[in-house]
Amino acid sequence: GAGVSQSPSNKVTEKGKDVELRCDPISGHTALYWYRQSLGQGLEFLIYFQGNSAPDKSGLPSDRFSAERTGGSVSTLTIQRTQQEDSAVYLCASSLDSLYTEAFFGQGTRLTVV
Amino acid sequence: AQRVTQPEKLLSVFKGAPVELKCNYSYSGSPELFWYVQYSRQRLQLLLRHISRESIKGFTADLNKGETSFHLKKPFAQEEDSAMYYCALSGLRSGGYQKVTFGTGTKLQVIP
Repeated sequence: GAGVSQSPSNKVTEKGKDVELRCDPISGHTALYWYRQSLGQGLEFLIYFQGNSAPDKSGLPSDRFSAERTGGSVSTLTIQRTQQEDSAVYLCASSLDSLYTEAFFGQGTRLTVV
Repeated sequence: AQRVTQPEKLLSVFKGAPVELKCNYSYSGSPELFWYVQYSRQRLQLLLRHISRESIKGFTADLNKGETSFHLKKPFAQEEDSAMYYCALSGLRSGGYQKVTFGTGTKLQVIP
């Protein structure tokens, strides 16, 4: 595709339910990032993939959060037993494995836990 | 550790006033620095990168290695500059892979 695509754009879920958020990076981009942006707040790093492996998972807030990437392409962020504090915009970004190239962001998934 | 600090969550300036968004970094090596911008209801996007030595929309940023800073400046703020600004650092990690680290962002509010 032409850019980073995230689905769904919006997700409303009941507290306690599991959700899956999907990210389709730009073809050929080996690096993939997940961030969270709460209302009025900045970027909160969640996890970083290089290919299919995740050398940095330090930002995942709890063991309810997990992510995987398959085929060096699509990534899924899963939140189990959602809580109201999980409500935020979840952003995905991808880039080439180069110091000088920019990261391209998706439009985000707005998650609302009711 | 690879770290980016943006000390101001919110910066309010009047239209026509100079703007300086602060960014300090921590990295043991030669990083590449970027500024990203997110306008209301738009995607986060690259504004400028250090290596290009460019001026975009009147914004410039100078890398000061002594002070480990990469502040974003514009001499005369315009209303359309109101947005969220993120400083980012790209550096090599142990293991040989490159990683981008973002600051937490500064919201710029230009008052008419």
